[in-house]
Amino acid sequence: LAKTTQPISMDSYEGQEVNITCSHNNIATNDYITWYQQFPSQGPRFIIQGYKTKVTNEVASLFIPADRKSSTLSLPRVSLSDTAVYYCLVGDAGSARQLTFGSGTQLTVLP
Amino acid sequence: DAGVIQSPRHEVTEMGQEVTLRCKPISGHNSLFWYRQTMMRGLELLIYFNNNVPIDDSGMPEDRFSAKMPNASFSTLKIQPSEPRDSAVYFCASRPAGGPTDTQYFGPGTRLTVL
Repeated sequence: LAKTTQPISMDSYEGQEVNITCSHNNIATNDYITWYQQFPSQGPRFIIQGYKTKVTNEVASLFIPADRKSSTLSLPRVSLSDTAVYYCLVGDAGSARQLTFGSGTQLTVLP
Repeated sequence: DAGVIQSPRHEVTEMGQEVTLRCKPISGHNSLFWYRQTMMRGLELLIYFNNNVPIDDSGMPEDRFSAKMPNASFSTLKIQPSEPRDSAVYFCASRPAGGPTDTQYFGPGTRLTVL
């Protein structure tokens, strides 16, 4: 499994764009990159997934460079309600050993 | 859809007692996962099923833990006997059939406290 490294915590202010970068140097050809969000006392929630280049949905954008050794989750104009832990996962979900959640990044949005 | 349903939401028990956690996955999903989350160890995958068959249980901590999935709409995680170090939030998640992508849908969790 590809190991991921992301910052332990980040602070931001309301209305700002937040970028959280995840490093995954040994990503394999079949691996996808998936981001989850977890609020206190809730289970993680899928945010976005990608394989290469850029993916955008109604919640976030995911930027993946050509070498795929890192990825950046971009949250536009964050609000207080975006305060949560964000997890980056890398792997082939079709394999026998499932994706592993790392420590995640605690994002705190300040007023 | 009601989403993944877990019961009970909270469980308080005494050391040595048997604990059974229950999960109903989203209808039509063919993969089911059990996770444990603690402050010290984060979110750990315990076991996962595919089409009701256990595929990988390497995360199950020890023989006191067992999981079953008798049909596509129900799974249990049992701890017997329970110990204080088992105190954690236990999540169940399900995933639709498909290839290499991963979109797991998590339940609300069961907060277990073993005294």
